[in-house]
Amino acid sequence: GQQVMQIPQYQHVQEGEDFTTYCNSSTTLSNIQWYKQRPGGHPVFLIQLVKSGEVKKQKRLTFQFGEAKKNSSLHITATQTTDVGTYFCADQAGTALIFGKGTTLSVSS
Amino acid sequence: NAGVTQTPKFRILKIGQSMTLQCTQDMNHNYMYWYRQDPGMGLKLIYYSVGAGITDKGEVPNGYNVSRSTTEDFPLRLELAAPSQTSVYFCASGRPTNEKLFFGSGTQLSVL
Repeated sequence: GQQVMQIPQYQHVQEGEDFTTYCNSSTTLSNIQWYKQRPGGHPVFLIQLVKSGEVKKQKRLTFQFGEAKKNSSLHITATQTTDVGTYFCADQAGTALIFGKGTTLSVSS
Repeated sequence: NAGVTQTPKFRILKIGQSMTLQCTQDMNHNYMYWYRQDPGMGLKLIYYSVGAGITDKGEVPNGYNVSRSTTEDFPLRLELAAPSQTSVYFCASGRPTNEKLFFGSGTQLSVL
């Protein structure tokens, strides 16, 4: 079945360092959504990317969609302790959203 | 608006028992979903519905059943609970394709 792979599975950074998580697929992605889940919480929508090569920014977060629509990335500049959580990418598979396994980010101050 | 409401928040079942996880949304969304989340495994789609009276299987439907008699409600039924069904269950809703999903706060289920 359709799969999206995320790497790394875990990442620990010092506060102020940058962080990047990658989402890859062997097949063309229709569109990519990114979600954040705080510890003990539920996934919350961050952004959707639809177009090949698309780049979107939300404050310190930068989201990219690959030119071939087979990969996507989320980059956080100068991480803060509030960035702690698990970041998921998800691909639209027909009427369903298929999630990657997520990247769990921990930040030490 | 309350958004997506799930009950109960926590539940412990014995092997072989049955239960229904409740999910209701007040956003008039057509699409509703059930996911389960196991540590390090991301979110796996169990069942989904594109409208009242219509349901379809997701990635891991075995051991579960759903119904969608109204737009608002999408209950998930576990028959003959097994330890492998120990997980956190999330219900989500959204508009037609390419719209974001809104998640409930989850139900933590343990089967012992």
